[in-house]
Amino acid sequence: GQQVMQIPQYQHVQEGEDFTTYCNSSTTLSNIQWYKQRPGGHPVFLIQLVKSGEVKKQKRLTFQFGEAKKNSSLHITATQTTDVGTYFCARNTGFQKLVFGTGTRLLVSP
Amino acid sequence: GAVVSQHPSWVICKSGTSVKIECRSLDFQATTMFWYRQFPKQSLMLMATSNEGSKATYEQGVEKDKFLINHASLTLSTLTVTSAHPEDSSFYICSARLGTSYNEQFFGPGTRLTVL
Repeated sequence: GQQVMQIPQYQHVQEGEDFTTYCNSSTTLSNIQWYKQRPGGHPVFLIQLVKSGEVKKQKRLTFQFGEAKKNSSLHITATQTTDVGTYFCARNTGFQKLVFGTGTRLLVSP
Repeated sequence: GAVVSQHPSWVICKSGTSVKIECRSLDFQATTMFWYRQFPKQSLMLMATSNEGSKATYEQGVEKDKFLINHASLTLSTLTVTSAHPEDSSFYICSARLGTSYNEQFFGPGTRLTVL
């Protein structure tokens, strides 16, 4: 399946700064999931977005699904060192499989 | 919550040997499990879908004779890397879903394979 592109590939911020990663697809997505992978760890599910224009919040994290259901974003307000890791979006295929985005690696300096 | 375990967490082997990696769903039954491979600083790439009681479905470009998958029970899937070579060195991660109505996947902690 076609991989979903994410930008930026890497971002280094100072603690307290905001961070945003964008996920873009050339095709319409039925839904989009977001995962976080800490260094040396495994992906952990964060959220799933299904509806066009949907916005969901989890504490300092805000997730958006575009109106055309072709893009999504994850915004972290006032980053903390515990936010360090790689953030992946992932799309479901029609066969229950997940196709992961290219990922954005976040580094937060204290 | 749903817990998935993997064993071993890391393995070093000589070129030409075979390595078996186990993936277990600890507190739920999984008719379907997935095997991924992740090279350093890259994304997860799906290798195959493991189906309990039937043959695995492999992604394009993944050699089924090299990466043998057996899903013998509702809680266990195994991936055997046969005749391993240094280019097979990678992070292998399995995942499982609670059921067909759930989209969220629960990932095992991964197995780091190093082939010398």
